[in-house]
Amino acid sequence: GAGVSQTPSNKVTEKGKYVELRCDPISGHTALYWYRQSLGQGPEFLIYFQGTGAADDSGLPNDRFFAVRPEGSVSTLKIQRTERGDSAVYLCASSTESGNEQFFGPGTRLTVL
Amino acid sequence: SQQGEEDPQALSIQEGENATMNCSYKTSINNLQWYRQNSGRGLVHLILIRSNEREKHSGRLRVTLDTSKKSSSLLITASRAADTASYFCAEDRSNDYKLSFGAGTTVTVRA
Repeated sequence: GAGVSQTPSNKVTEKGKYVELRCDPISGHTALYWYRQSLGQGPEFLIYFQGTGAADDSGLPNDRFFAVRPEGSVSTLKIQRTERGDSAVYLCASSTESGNEQFFGPGTRLTVL
Repeated sequence: SQQGEEDPQALSIQEGENATMNCSYKTSINNLQWYRQNSGRGLVHLILIRSNEREKHSGRLRVTLDTSKKSSSLLITASRAADTASYFCAEDRSNDYKLSFGAGTTVTVRA
C-alpha cells in the first residue's frame, strides 16, 4: 500500500513569507508526528496528533509554527514569518498508535533565503 | 531536545565486514528503535526492541538492549555497499509519545 507522502518535496521561500507543508499519512494510522531535521543532526520532535487533536505540541519552537489535522488524516504544518533558521528538512511520520513503529515520509526540504 | 548519543559518529568499513554502532540513552524507555536514512531524506524503520527484550534479529541486523546500562547496539553483518547510510537510534520514552533521536552514525561501506 501507499506510504506516507509529503508535499512539496522542496520549498524555497523568502524570509518573512508564510509556508504550508502537507503530510498524507498511511490510511488508518491514527497517530501522526512532525519532526524537523537540520543538517548533520537527528530529527527533532515538533508535534504529535492522535486523531484530530494535537496531543503534544511541546516541540514547536515558537508561535510562528502551527499544525492542524482537521479530519484526522491529512495534516498541514504552517510556518508564519519564516526565518533563515527555519531552513531544514521537515519530516512527517504516522503509526497505528503511539509506541509502535513510525513510518516516515520522504520529507520536505525548506529553504528560507 | 535530543537525547541519546550514537557512537561512533562515523564508520568506514570494507564490503563484507561487520559494522557495529552503539547508542546510549538517559531515561526509562518503552522501546528503542533503529532507523536508516539515505541522502538526508526519509527514514526507514529497521528494528524495534522493547524494554523487556534483550536481543532481536532481522536478516543481517542484530540489535541488543541493556537497560541496566541504558545502551543499545546495532550490528550489521556481511555489509554491502547498499548499507552506506546514516543510522539513528530513537528512544520511545515511558509516559511519552514522541521519538527522541540521537545525532546518528554515518556508515560508509567501501566496495
